[in-house]
Amino acid sequence: SSELTQDPAVSVALGQTVRITCQGDSLRSYYASWYQQKAGQAPVLVIYGNNKRPSGIPDRFSGSNSGNTGSLTITGAQAEDEADYYCNSRDTSGINAWVFGGGTRLTVL
Amino acid sequence: EVQLVQSGTEVKKSGESLKISCKGSGYNFATYSLGWVRQMPGKGLEWMGTIYPDDSDTTYSPSFQGQVTMSVDKSMTTAYLQWSSLKASDTAIYYCARKGPSGYFDFWGQGTLVTVSS
Repeated sequence: SSELTQDPAVSVALGQTVRITCQGDSLRSYYASWYQQKAGQAPVLVIYGNNKRPSGIPDRFSGSNSGNTGSLTITGAQAEDEADYYCNSRDTSGINAWVFGGGTRLTVL
Repeated sequence: EVQLVQSGTEVKKSGESLKISCKGSGYNFATYSLGWVRQMPGKGLEWMGTIYPDDSDTTYSPSFQGQVTMSVDKSMTTAYLQWSSLKASDTAIYYCARKGPSGYFDFWGQGTLVTVSS
């Protein structure tokens, strides 16, 4: 099965830009989707497909894909963006199989 | 409004059985797959499997195949996740999530905390 690799932790100064990355062979074929999980809450989809945002997600969140790497960029990070972020894609082992990255804890300084 | 509402916290002993639920509303329940995701204490998200309510076609992650059973009752717009014999290592929060057209999980339940004591 596929694996998606994320940095365990990233920090950003308030108002600055941060990029969170996700690497895996499956991303050569499939887009990464991204989820934000705040402490004690369920995950929330923030980016899917080719840089699409669900309704209600601020436009400071954007996504991109290149080769085997998917990226989530937060432009002008806010205090409320402090959370765990997970990438997700199809698993190359099967059409109905999925895999999550290990997650990145974002700290806003 | 799409909603997934999960059943409440469970406290069980090793060896006991358990069935938790996820009730969907606000959309055509039968035509969107539902995934189950495990989050062990202090850990990340793990995809367990996905079920398509219209025909109950189910795909399990190899890590969970044979460990859990997913099912659905279309008439009740409810999906279920069950264990026949719990282990302490099943202690976790379990989320259900609707799978959108291109595979992302667009709506999530609030999670069900399962605590298993040995």
